[in-house]
Amino acid sequence: QVQLVQSGAEVKKPGASVEVSCKASGYTFTSYYIHWVRQAPGHGLEWMGIIDPRGGTISYGQKLQGRLTMSRDTSTSTVYMELSSLRSEDSAVYYCARDTGSGSYILDVWGKGTAVAVSS
Amino acid sequence: QSALTQPPSASGTPGQRVTISCSGSASNIGSYTVNWYKQLPGTAPKLLIYSNNQRPSGVPDRFSGSKSGTSASLAFSGLQSEDEADYYCASWDDSLNGPVFGGGTKLTVL
Repeated sequence: QVQLVQSGAEVKKPGASVEVSCKASGYTFTSYYIHWVRQAPGHGLEWMGIIDPRGGTISYGQKLQGRLTMSRDTSTSTVYMELSSLRSEDSAVYYCARDTGSGSYILDVWGKGTAVAVSS
Repeated sequence: QSALTQPPSASGTPGQRVTISCSGSASNIGSYTVNWYKQLPGTAPKLLIYSNNQRPSGVPDRFSGSKSGTSASLAFSGLQSEDEADYYCASWDDSLNGPVFGGGTKLTVL
């Protein structure tokens, strides 16, 4: 079945970087864009950015631009999200989600989420 | 503070009709379609309504969505206990050059 499997929880110190992976299966990886969305504890959803697995085109949200890097590996059907210069306010659950089209922003399949805790 | 405004909470009794509103502006809802997501505690969001009023396969028809001007609504006809969850609206936003989510509404079934 169609699914997105994310890497496990992380604990990082302020100033460090974290990389979260999202492995797609059950569909043609290069046919659907992937979004990253995060959710701080007790808060709502925040869009981070989008990547086109076919061509590698990326668009980052304004808030995290400069600290956020997304990439993909078509050989393993995996997308990656790296956030640098971590701060306590980056503590959140990070989700990858499949776009139904080429940037339709309709997110029809979600990973289970990866919890990232930033603490000294 | 999100560009899309939702009431923080809503409630109803089983069988009741309940609606959740989502208010935006010309740069988002006024120009683009709206999607709705349901999130149970500790789980990932799930697509509930897309393109204002379309239901993905498997979503019961007692859920419906609508849009008018710069606002949208999610309606439950015949509330059920399993509807208790957080609900988020989302739309594209020209200012952000990306999708924006509402702050979420916690629905309680009394």
